[in-house]
Amino acid sequence: EVQLVESGGDLVQPGGSLRLSCAASGFSFSSYWIAWVRQAPGEGLEWVANINQDGSEKNYVDPVKGRFTVSRDNAKSSLYLQMNNLRADDTAFYYCARDRFKAVAGARPYHYMDVWGRGTTVTVSS
Amino acid sequence: DIQMTQSPSSLSASVGDRVTITCRASQSVNNYLNWYQQKPGKAPKVLIYAASSLQSGVPSRFSGSGSGTDFTLSISNLQPEDFATYYCQQSYSTPRTFGQGTEVEIK
Repeated sequence: EVQLVESGGDLVQPGGSLRLSCAASGFSFSSYWIAWVRQAPGEGLEWVANINQDGSEKNYVDPVKGRFTVSRDNAKSSLYLQMNNLRADDTAFYYCARDRFKAVAGARPYHYMDVWGRGTTVTVSS
Repeated sequence: DIQMTQSPSSLSASVGDRVTITCRASQSVNNYLNWYQQKPGKAPKVLIYAASSLQSGVPSRFSGSGSGTDFTLSISNLQPEDFATYYCQQSYSTPRTFGQGTEVEIK
């Protein structure tokens, strides 16, 4: 079964740090981009970051640049999100998702998230 | 960053109705547009990618259209399991922004 399982969510004080993990199984992890998406309580989805297959390309949304770092260990089929200097507005449910892409001749590939984990909760509060 | 705006924010419909949700991008995203469905307490699920390509396993009553800045998601013959929140997302550039969501409620 193709599966992603997040862990590491917790209650942390403002300014603190947290490391989320996402364990993959059932597919060739090293062949896929992977993304992090978050959802604040009662709010919509916010794309946070993604990372390419070998970890050489990473992209972030502006509010987390310089504070969050996405990384992966293909040998362990695992994705990580190191979150530093956490703020109250980082409080959210965090999902990892397989970022599938379809190549298009002569154009950029299509990316879409076709497998999602169940998520993990991060609460930033004093 | 590309801003995505959905309308309406919510709608009420009955089983069997046809529903249309629109999504507008702040600049052209060509056809790099995805649609997701999310039910309460669950992770999102991709329905449509590349504006009009139906993801494997998704019922054919879901369809997408559009290109450039204006897109639509249509659901024909609305079923009880379709009551959920729907999000568009552009994949033209990073950050891959989402619309604010459209909640489809039972009338």
